[in-house]
Amino acid sequence: GENVEQHPSTLSVQEGDSAVIKCTYSDSASNYFPWYKQELGKGPQLIIDIRSNVGEKKDQRIAVTLNKTAKHFSLHITETQPEDSAVYFCAARVAFGNEKLTFGTGTRLTIIP
Amino acid sequence: EAGVVQSPRYKIIEKKQPVAFWCNPISGHNTLYWYRQNLGQGPELLIRYENEEAVDDSQLPKDRFSAERLKGVDSTLKIQPAELGDSAVYLCASSHGLAGVEQFFGPGTRLTVL
Repeated sequence: GENVEQHPSTLSVQEGDSAVIKCTYSDSASNYFPWYKQELGKGPQLIIDIRSNVGEKKDQRIAVTLNKTAKHFSLHITETQPEDSAVYFCAARVAFGNEKLTFGTGTRLTIIP
Repeated sequence: EAGVVQSPRYKIIEKKQPVAFWCNPISGHNTLYWYRQNLGQGPELLIRYENEEAVDDSQLPKDRFSAERLKGVDSTLKIQPAELGDSAVYLCASSHGLAGVEQFFGPGTRLTVL
């Protein structure tokens, strides 16, 4: 089955700086890669996603890049703010029709004011 | 629009006792998922429903876990009997299926087995 590895497990950045979280996946048939943000006591919330036919996607301060050849994808957060502090999870899903998401182990991001 | 509703939010039981979790998905979402999230880990799928049919229960420990979604709307996940290792957050999620792949998560039920 699919295996998703995520790094780093913890990340602290100064407010205003950028944060980068990286994930690798094992199954070349995976075609959908969402990123979720989980705040304390809440369920994961989708913040951005990318499909395998796209190399990069941006939404304001958040961007995701995908390298299908290397089977890795990354989350980039620019101009970080205190409210960005949370646990972030990457995930991968094998081809359309199978809705199973395989999640990474999470990155605890702390923004230092 | 109301999100995914789960209850209870917290549950503490002694081992060998039964426990049940309830989930009401977003209105109109025909796909419902139960995940288990261990401390410091990502969610792991236990079971997926398309309407009232369980289409993927390969990760559900069937000796002690059961789930149902009788009318294709809300769902119940049960553990009987609970073991110490079942302590985790149980998350419910739903998606519209054909109209989109995004899964919307509820707040979860934190289970502690003593």
